Amino acid sequence: DAGVIQSPRHEVTEMGQEVTLRCKPISGHDYLFWYRQTMMRGLELLIYFNNNVPIDDSGMPEDRFSAKMPNASFSTLKIQPSEPRDSAVYFCASKTGRTYEQYFGPGTRLTVT
Amino acid sequence: DQQVKQNSPSLSVQEGRISILNCDYTNSMFDYFLWYKKYPAEGPTFLISISSIKDKNEDGRFTVFLNKSAKHLSLHIVPSQPGDSAVYFCAASRWGNKLVFGAGTILRVKS
Repeated sequence: DAGVIQSPRHEVTEMGQEVTLRCKPISGHDYLFWYRQTMMRGLELLIYFNNNVPIDDSGMPEDRFSAKMPNASFSTLKIQPSEPRDSAVYFCASKTGRTYEQYFGPGTRLTVT
Repeated sequence: DQQVKQNSPSLSVQEGRISILNCDYTNSMFDYFLWYKKYPAEGPTFLISISSIKDKNEDGRFTVFLNKSAKHLSLHIVPSQPGDSAVYFCAASRWGNKLVFGAGTILRVKS
């Protein structure tokens, strides 16, 4: 069975550019989560969706960040404009409503120069 | 505010011995706790969990203990194997959706 799929795995971009990270959750999972991992802040939740609807975006750092889930099998996290302090590993995770356990993708390592 | 704390950044254990990883939390409203394991360049993978109504859950070599009065949980790995070398994250949940993660503990199992 395919797990959570994220693309790209690595992204290097220059400050000011737009960055789009992509995620395909596990089929049948109705919750999707976006996390960011940094040395300073650890693993922190940015936003999560239920049935494609954003439920809690209180972790989104600022207006430069936006996330969408146009359908049950696809989500994007966009940063515009990107800044060097956005450099981090971004994880997507999904789960069903019946469980607590979340299943993570391999992550996207973003470097903003 | 750090609601979930893993105060030991790293732990080194001999193969075959017991590994004990600790986690403390401050929010008494957490009702479910999970442990994740993470290898380099991979996402965290779910390992074991425990509900706040229990004090122990066991799965093979892995056992999680919960002490609610102390707001403390621990993960025991017996016997430890070199393949267990990874970063271990403790996570806590309230109402089932949002997870709050600790900073992680690097476990090294020496052969």
